[in-house]
Amino acid sequence: NAGVTQTPKFRILKIGQSMTLQCTQDMNHNYMYWYRQDPGMGLKLIYYSVGAGITDKGEVPNGYNVSRSTTEDFPLRLELAAPSQTSVYFCASSSPGGGGTDTQYFGPGTRLTVL
Amino acid sequence: AQSVTQLGSHVSVSEGALVLLRCNYSSSVPPYLFWYVQYPNQGLQLLLKYTSAATLVKGINGFEAEFKKSETSFHLTKPSAHMSDAAEYFCAVSDLGGGADGLTFGKGTHLIIQP
Repeated sequence: NAGVTQTPKFRILKIGQSMTLQCTQDMNHNYMYWYRQDPGMGLKLIYYSVGAGITDKGEVPNGYNVSRSTTEDFPLRLELAAPSQTSVYFCASSSPGGGGTDTQYFGPGTRLTVL
Repeated sequence: AQSVTQLGSHVSVSEGALVLLRCNYSSSVPPYLFWYVQYPNQGLQLLLKYTSAATLVKGINGFEAEFKKSETSFHLTKPSAHMSDAAEYFCAVSDLGGGADGLTFGKGTHLIIQP
């Protein structure tokens, strides 16, 4: 049981490039989330999904896209990278019961730098 | 809209001393409250959570937190600090009726343990 895995761990992009951050969980969780963490700012929700085929915007969705074709995978896409997207990105998932009561399990993060 | 305020971006205590990390929340409905810990270059790990079952919540690694509705607070404490407690601590809130739309995090408190 690996929990939530994210790839890559580190990435440097040039302005305007695109990339996909991968996230996979093996806990059969229905709910999955993408957060970004900026220094001194806590974590902010980018997108979330309540199940395969269903996604919704969080607090800071601009410049990102997501898809959820399977229960296990929840990739985050950056189409035109900008310096403002330099951040650490965390994927998380929560148990089938969902809602605000269930523990979110976090991946180790992807550190992205846009130059 | 819900929000979380963590007082003190940095807290320094001596090894063996009491740890007190402060968290105040704002929510229009009864909240679910969480404390997460983040060790350097790692993802977030749940310390404890309040889900209305009991106002005093015990978590892992000797930490506990007390929910005080009248003070809208959920402060984290540990009687005796250990060097291994040095980390970033995040308080988070979830709207009871908010479904799966993620957590709202505070900006974090960096706990420093002095030998």
